[in-house]
Order: sequence, then structure tokens, then C-alpha cells
Amino acid sequence: KAGVTQTPRYLIKTRGQQVTLSCSPISGHRSVSWYQQTPGQGLQFLFEYFSETQRNKGNFPGRFSGRQFSNSRSEMNVSTLELGDSALYLCASSIGTGKDEQYFGPGTRLTVT
Amino acid sequence: EDKVVQSPLSLVVHEGDTVTLNCSYEVTNFRSLLWYKQEKKAPTFLFMLTSSGIEKKSGRLSSILDKKELFSILNITATQTGDSAIYLCAVDPRRNDMRFGAGTRLTVKP
Repeated sequence: KAGVTQTPRYLIKTRGQQVTLSCSPISGHRSVSWYQQTPGQGLQFLFEYFSETQRNKGNFPGRFSGRQFSNSRSEMNVSTLELGDSALYLCASSIGTGKDEQYFGPGTRLTVT
Repeated sequence: EDKVVQSPLSLVVHEGDTVTLNCSYEVTNFRSLLWYKQEKKAPTFLFMLTSSGIEKKSGRLSSILDKKELFSILNITATQTGDSAIYLCAVDPRRNDMRFGAGTRLTVKP
């Protein structure tokens, strides 16, 4: 069974641009969560989607948004990029909304210049 | 405000040593505590703990939760160089927004 995949793996953008990251969960998993990881702030929860509905959102500005499609694939969008948005963005999938067996993807490394 | 505090932040040991990593938390409506190992990129799941006093084991790793004192420990016995990683503790409040600690960076020297 294939693991969680994220595309692209690396991305370089300039301030003010927008970016869309993609996450394909493990087959059969319906929950996708997104996290931002930075050296200073550690791993922080962005949002979770289950059955195309946002279940919960972390403490991030409205520039961060996401969506989930009927095949459970999820996208995350960041508009008006800031230097501080440079981070590793991880997505994780699980069968349901519980976090017991949450499998992480390899992440997308975003650099904002 | 919910918070998860891990200690120590970093630890250097030699192969064969036993280590104990700590995670304390303050969250409302606690549901579970999870431990992850992060080596290069993505964290990998180790344990999920929901009940106090029940030790979970997987090979040389074990973990236990104390819901009264609000902490968990992760033990690694007979450490190996492959155990070198960042160990993350996360708490899952009932509203589903997991809170992670800063992690403990473990370095195991040969």
C-alpha cells in the first residue's frame, strides 16, 4: 500500500506570491491533517479535513486555507506569502478523525525569498 | 492556553545506555497523548496513550502516561545509533487540533 505522498517536495517562492501544496493520503484514509514545521515554532497544526469538510483549524491567519476532494486528496493554499512562511509543510492521513495511527508524508519544503 | 513541554531538549548518550524522555502537558478535554520519532523528514508514529498507568511497549521502547500528574515518559533501553532522532510528544484534545511539544533531540554515539 502506497504511503502518503506530497507534491511538490521543494518549492521556492517570493514574497507576495501564493502557493498550493498537494497531499494524497493512504488509500482508504479519509482524514487529512496539515502541519507547519519550523525550527523556531516546532510542529504546529494547521487544519484537518474529513470527508471534504474542515473539522478544525489551528491558530493561523486566513492566508492559509485548504480543501479536500471527494477522493480524499487535499490541497493547502497560502496566499500573499511572507518570509516567515518558509517551513516544512507536512500532511498526515488517518482512517478516521482519531489520531492514533496518523501517517505523515515526506513534506514540502517551502522557501520564501 | 494548551501547552506541551518536553524535556530535555537534547540528550547525548552512548550505545547501550537507557534514556528517559519526558513530556508534560496542560490541555483542556484531553483525549490522548502520542509519541513520534522524527529522523529526516516525516514523523513516524510510536505510541498512543489514553489511560493512566498502562505501559505500552514496542521492542526496546516503552511509554506510560500519568493523567493525574499530566505527564508521560518514553523509555528507550539499550540504545543504538539508529535511535538518534527527534522524539516528539503530541497531545490530542477532543477538538482535534493536536499540540506538539518542541521535541527532544537524542543523539546516540557509538
